[in-house]
Amino acid sequence: EIVMTQSPATLSVSPGERATLSCRASQSVSSNLAWYQQKPGQAPRLLIYGASTRATGIPARFSGSASGTEFTLTISSLQSEDFAVYYCQQYNNWPPLTFGGGTKVEIK
Amino acid sequence: EVQLVESGGGLVQPGGSLRLSCAASGFSFSSYAMSWVRQAPGKGLEWVSLISASGGTTKYADSVKGRFTISRDNSKNTLYLQMNSLRAEDTAIYYCAKVHSSSWYFPYWGQGTLVTVSS
Repeated sequence: EIVMTQSPATLSVSPGERATLSCRASQSVSSNLAWYQQKPGQAPRLLIYGASTRATGIPARFSGSASGTEFTLTISSLQSEDFAVYYCQQYNNWPPLTFGGGTKVEIK
Repeated sequence: EVQLVESGGGLVQPGGSLRLSCAASGFSFSSYAMSWVRQAPGKGLEWVSLISASGGTTKYADSVKGRFTISRDNSKNTLYLQMNSLRAEDTAIYYCAKVHSSSWYFPYWGQGTLVTVSS
């Protein structure tokens, strides 16, 4: 099973600042990685797939990148609606499909 | 517009059974694989099961294998999850998710249905 490790668990950021979230895979997942955003009481929403491709309707301030087994989600200038929990998911080698434990982005 | 509406959640005793349903609309249901993902209270996301577009192939997480059965009725545009021998650790919100046409991530999710396993 591929283990996905996200860091930090909580990120405190001021509105307008840049947020950088990390996700590490226990083995290669190629570019088969997705990022989701989840707000309280809501279902997850797909942000990024293929490690770096924004899903339909996702603002350009969200970007994804990869280096080996390390993946990064960057939010260039945090808006109030971006405070949420973010999950990564690998879909390269399954079952099982696996998610990271999540990073909560909170207001500083 | 893609819509996924789950139903069938509720309170069940340990060892009991429950069947979840997910009514799909806004896309050609029979052309897409579908999946269930769950989230225990205050916890992260856990993939549970996936079924191919035709229903001929099913996959499960080890934590539910042998207890849960995923199925679909393409004539009714509905996905199911039959859950047997339920345990307290199965308590979660269960989300139905549409799988991308050519890869294994989830562009669309339902709002979820809560399953509580408790005596």
